[in-house]
Amino acid sequence: DTEVTQTPKHLVMGMTNKKSLKCEQHMGHRAMYWYKQKAKKPPELMFVYSYEKLSINESVPSRFSPECPNSSLLNLHLHALQPEDSALYLCASSLSASGKNIQYFGAGTRLSVL
Amino acid sequence: EDQVTQSPEALRLQEGESSSLNCSYTVSGLRGLFWYRQDPGKGPEFLFTLYSAGEEKEKERLKATLTKKESFLHITAPKPEDSATYLCAVQAGETSGSRLTFGEGTQLTVNP
Repeated sequence: DTEVTQTPKHLVMGMTNKKSLKCEQHMGHRAMYWYKQKAKKPPELMFVYSYEKLSINESVPSRFSPECPNSSLLNLHLHALQPEDSALYLCASSLSASGKNIQYFGAGTRLSVL
Repeated sequence: EDQVTQSPEALRLQEGESSSLNCSYTVSGLRGLFWYRQDPGKGPEFLFTLYSAGEEKEKERLKATLTKKESFLHITAPKPEDSATYLCAVQAGETSGSRLTFGEGTQLTVNP
């Protein structure tokens, strides 16, 4: 089973709202990732967690705040977003954050910021 | 800087018309090349990983090959359900961990 589950599937929020995206995997993977994908573009890496510690932050604005409460869960907290933040947000996981590891992606959360 | 270029950007085929998608790369120390399929509004679905030149992998109508400069995804007798965007990505270098560098993708449409 290579399932990564993301909730919600769709989210509409105003620029003053606070919301969270959730990602879960039960494959025993110790690396988890957040990506942002705009239409007709490849995924762009935002954050990498390795063994529940943030290992990569790709200069993402502070209005995006990641959290990894345990090895199976990854959250992305959203606050004061801009309309240009509307995109498909993808979570992925891999066995570890080093070596030749396959990343498995969730179905994504389609975010619209009004 | 690692670079991945996919061609063509878009490809339209008739059902049963075989073809190939190309992924050329310029990286320092390739550790792995990955092919994903992505349907509209969904996350990328893993297809293949290739680690060394000369390696080939097959799955149903798809076959991936790797040379020192490029990878091909061959599609034999495609069906309409093969329509999707195909993404190529590489892992390279000693310090990049499992970071993936993606190409822009090839959007494949198979008409019945």
